[in-house]
Amino acid sequence: AQSVSQHNHHVILSEAASLELGCNYSYGGTVNLFWYVQYPGQHLQLLLKYFSGDPLVKGIKGFEAEFIKSKFSFNLRKPSVQWSDTAEYFCAVNGGDKIIFGKGTRLHILP
Amino acid sequence: NAGVMQNPRHLVRRRGQEARLRCSPMKGHSHVYWYRQLPEEGLKFMVYLQKENIIDESGMPKERFSAEFPKEGPSILRIQQVVRGDSAAYFCASSRDVGETPYFGPGTRLLVL
Repeated sequence: AQSVSQHNHHVILSEAASLELGCNYSYGGTVNLFWYVQYPGQHLQLLLKYFSGDPLVKGIKGFEAEFIKSKFSFNLRKPSVQWSDTAEYFCAVNGGDKIIFGKGTRLHILP
Repeated sequence: NAGVMQNPRHLVRRRGQEARLRCSPMKGHSHVYWYRQLPEEGLKFMVYLQKENIIDESGMPKERFSAEFPKEGPSILRIQQVVRGDSAAYFCASSRDVGETPYFGPGTRLLVL
């Protein structure tokens, strides 16, 4: 069965700090990988996705993620965060028919 | 280009009543997923449907919960005899095909009194 693990449940950073959110998955076959963001009171929006090709994926709002197959990881990064990045971030994996989400990481950016 | 629509956005029910949550997928999307979100628990997969078929319902509670996606009309998640523990946000997502990017609706926040 596929599963997704997000290491950090809560992260607090100051503006302009660099961000890396960890995501590891468990699945033996080919996977599609996603990062979603949920701003307070809103629904999930797609940040970026990996299906195939270049393992370094660039998304919206300056986010990027790197797929490392040998580590079963798909960490999310941003070189310099902004206060508006305060949100909850979800990693998701689709290795079969359904898409499984991690428990999410709540990111608080201090102005 | 309308996105995924869900209604109602907020639903209040008393214990023992029925809750019906509706999801209209994006145009051209025939795959629908339902998820439940509880604080600190992330998104829990409930059910995956294609038109008129339930593909995977491994995340659905065995009792009181059912889902359908008829040939015409929205997908419906139905919760019978609601209990306080059913209070949560229920999100629907749709995709064009299996394995393609799912896009989420705004969710229905169910409160059971």
